[in-house]
Amino acid sequence: DAGVIQSPRHEVTEMGQEVTLRCKPISGHNSLFWYRQTMMRGLELLIYFNNNVPIDDSGMPEDRFSAKMPNASFSTLKIQPSEPRDSAVYFCASSLASTGIGWANEKLFFGSGTQLSVL
Amino acid sequence: GQQVMQIPQYQHVQEGEDFTTYCNSSTTLSNIQWYKQRPGGHPVFLIQLVKSGEVKKQKRLTFQFGEAKKNSSLHITATQTTDVGTYFCAGPGAGGTSYGKLTFGQGTILTVHP
Repeated sequence: DAGVIQSPRHEVTEMGQEVTLRCKPISGHNSLFWYRQTMMRGLELLIYFNNNVPIDDSGMPEDRFSAKMPNASFSTLKIQPSEPRDSAVYFCASSLASTGIGWANEKLFFGSGTQLSVL
Repeated sequence: GQQVMQIPQYQHVQEGEDFTTYCNSSTTLSNIQWYKQRPGGHPVFLIQLVKSGEVKKQKRLTFQFGEAKKNSSLHITATQTTDVGTYFCAGPGAGGTSYGKLTFGQGTILTVHP
């Protein structure tokens, strides 16, 4: 299995530009998570999907951030317009979670991350 | 919302010394997970604890889940340079749409001096 695949690995852009981060989860996984990691704030959960449906987006910083999961094998995180304070490592992770009453949290498999620098 | 607090933030040890990091929650956790992130890498799953008072071992690593399921610890015996990295605990959401949510502690950065 190739694992969770993220692209690009590195992104350098100028303030005000649109940034799109991409993620391909592990085949067969039904949950997908977007995390942001900075020294100051650690690993923050931005949004997660279950069966392609956004379940909780309370961690999305503001309206400049949006995420989609059009099918089970692809997700995007978009920032428009980008700002210097968005600079961070963005991780995508997937898992095979059982659902229903009393969800069981299964282990997360993380991608290698996208290092975003907004100048 | 659900939060897990982790201490210490940093730990510097000499190779061969032991290391422990602690994770605390204000609410009861249904389970807790531990991850390791090497410098420049991504978090990698180590273990999940589910039962009250559970203790699990992986070679030199010992993981414990408190009796009240509100705290957990990771202990490394006789650290090696390969143990360098950040260790995170992660706990689930309290319910509702938070069921599948996994919130990470701040992490403990371990450095090992040879």
